Order: sequence, then structure tokens, then C-alpha cells
Amino acid sequence: QKEVEQDPGPLSVPEGAIVSLNCTYSNSAFQYFMWYRQYSRKGPELLMYTYSSGNKEDGRFTAQVDKSSKYISLFIRDSQPSDSATYLCAMRGKGAGSYQLTFGKGTKLSVIP
Amino acid sequence: ETGVTQTPRHLVMGMTNKKSLKCEQHLGHNAMYWYKQSAKKPLELMFVYSLEERVENNSVPSRFSPECPNSSHLFLHLHTLQPEDSALYLCASSQESGPERPQHFGDGTRLSIL
Repeated sequence: QKEVEQDPGPLSVPEGAIVSLNCTYSNSAFQYFMWYRQYSRKGPELLMYTYSSGNKEDGRFTAQVDKSSKYISLFIRDSQPSDSATYLCAMRGKGAGSYQLTFGKGTKLSVIP
Repeated sequence: ETGVTQTPRHLVMGMTNKKSLKCEQHLGHNAMYWYKQSAKKPLELMFVYSLEERVENNSVPSRFSPECPNSSHLFLHLHTLQPEDSALYLCASSQESGPERPQHFGDGTRLSIL
């Protein structure tokens, strides 16, 4: 079983839709959870960062972590064409020296005007 | 210049060539990373430097040789690469203090091996 599973899509939605992106993981040691956005020909850009279980909101973006189910989500409200990108989930353990980020394969999102 | 800068953006090289990728971070961070990004695969961590010392080397072939002369600069020296080494090579940096330590990425070098 892969450590992090993420549906690669592609996912195509109309402008204004609510988008739900998800990852599941198997390693219960993961404590920090991130979402990155990667535009074509660019590097990943950090969008959201959460610790342990719970919700975090930033503008149109909401990140949710459910550690009991080993499931994380990113919701995008009122999606815009500029949200079209690949979204990568990433996670790591806690403690000094826990450098390794484990990534999902990414979900490619297209928001159609 | 701000953030993490990588040069060159594109590189085409033959299997017998020697070249180097350069990364510079302007964020005051003290840890730097090399990742490989291939199509349909998750990002793969190659090397980690913390306070200019290599702390991780994820079973990367010796044809890839990293160098970190100071906390702002990171190089990846390449020699006798294979076609399967064609990929996007990403550099990242982070501040290794506090619990969070998010990593910030450059835009990568797109490497093609002929």
C-alpha cells in the first residue's frame, strides 16, 4: 500500500463550483499536513498548513484533517479559472530531523469559465 | 530577488556530459533540499542539507552529487546521466526551528537527457 494516495484526476469543474480534493494515508506518525498548488512550468507553492486534526480556513480555501480516518481534504469555494493547477498533498512526522515530506501524486484541476 | 531561484530553467545534455544545477534561497532559511519530479510519480526527496551538513541521502545514484557551500546556495552536480534521469529537479528551503518548518520551492530545472 502506498503511503499517500491521491486521485490524479483530471478534475474539471465550472467556474463558481465548490471543489473537494482529498488524500488518504497509511502512516499514523504523520502529524503535519500541507497542500501545495503547482501551476504549469512552476514549482509547488505552499497553500495551506495544518497540524494534527481539525479545520483551517484561509479565504476561499479550507483544509480538513481527520487523523482517525487518515484522510485530509482541501475545499475551494467559488472556484476561479486561476485555480486551474495541480494540487499536491504532503505530510510529515513530528520532531527534530523529520525532514522527509511524503507527497501524493497530485490532482490536476481545471476550472472552466 | 526573492524566494528560491533555480538556474538554469532548462537543460539538455548528453549522457557523457557533466553539468551542474544551481539553487539560491533569499529567505534566510538554514535547510535546503533537492527533489526529483517525474510524470505520474510523487515528488521524490533526493538530498537534505541542514546547517550546511548533509543529513539525508535517499539512495540516490552516485551520478548525482550535491554540494552546499553555505546556507543560501545548493548545487547538484550531474555526470554520466541516464535517459530515466530526465525530469524536473526542484530545490526547496525551510527554517529548521519551531514545529512547522514548511518548505518553499523554486520553479525547478527541466532536465532532458539525450
